[in-house]
Amino acid sequence: GEDVEQSLFLSVREGDSSVINCTYTDSSSTYLYWYKQEPGAGLQLLTYIFSNMDMKQDQRLTVLLNKKDKHLSLRIADTQTGDSAIYFCAESIGNTDKLIFGTGTRLQVFP
Amino acid sequence: DTEVTQTPKHLVMGMTNKKSLKCEQHMGHRAMYWYKQKAKKPPELMFVYSYEKLSINESVPSRFSPECPNSSLLNLHLHALQPEDSALYLCASSQDSGNYQETQYFGPGTRLLVL
Repeated sequence: GEDVEQSLFLSVREGDSSVINCTYTDSSSTYLYWYKQEPGAGLQLLTYIFSNMDMKQDQRLTVLLNKKDKHLSLRIADTQTGDSAIYFCAESIGNTDKLIFGTGTRLQVFP
Repeated sequence: DTEVTQTPKHLVMGMTNKKSLKCEQHMGHRAMYWYKQKAKKPPELMFVYSYEKLSINESVPSRFSPECPNSSLLNLHLHALQPEDSALYLCASSQDSGNYQETQYFGPGTRLLVL
């Protein structure tokens, strides 16, 4: 199947690190993505990782990819209240234009 | 500039109305996409246009009719919609499509309510 699973909810204290996890299904995925969606808004691309990489760091964001377990994670360092949003992972399907999105994780940051 | 714009931001329509959603990008992208997103759900792909030709239709009902007049514009024509079609409609674009996945950039969406 094409189910991409994420935990529904994550609550962290401001200044702590957040780790959002994603399990995908298509072993032929070329790229994997993380998108952020604030309430009532569209999707903002945060970062992506090519499938032959294990890790990618971009400022406060670190993406880890375990291709054997089909597990992707997004770590946000020094989480801020402005990071509160829904985070979607997404996988490309083979050599197509299709993106399959995960179920989304709602991140809540409290002071 | 990585901006995809969509109009209108909000739309309320009756089941007998005809309306259109518009999407525009000036990044020179040659692939454009329509997604539908219901509340608390991930986006679901509806259509893909590649080089102004429809390349993917995810079995979308014919009351949704996409149109790509040129490489910068993508429309979604709506007719005889049902209340369950109420959702956020997202447009996206990417540099190219074909043999490898290109990063998709999303617009802010049009929130549609069908009464």
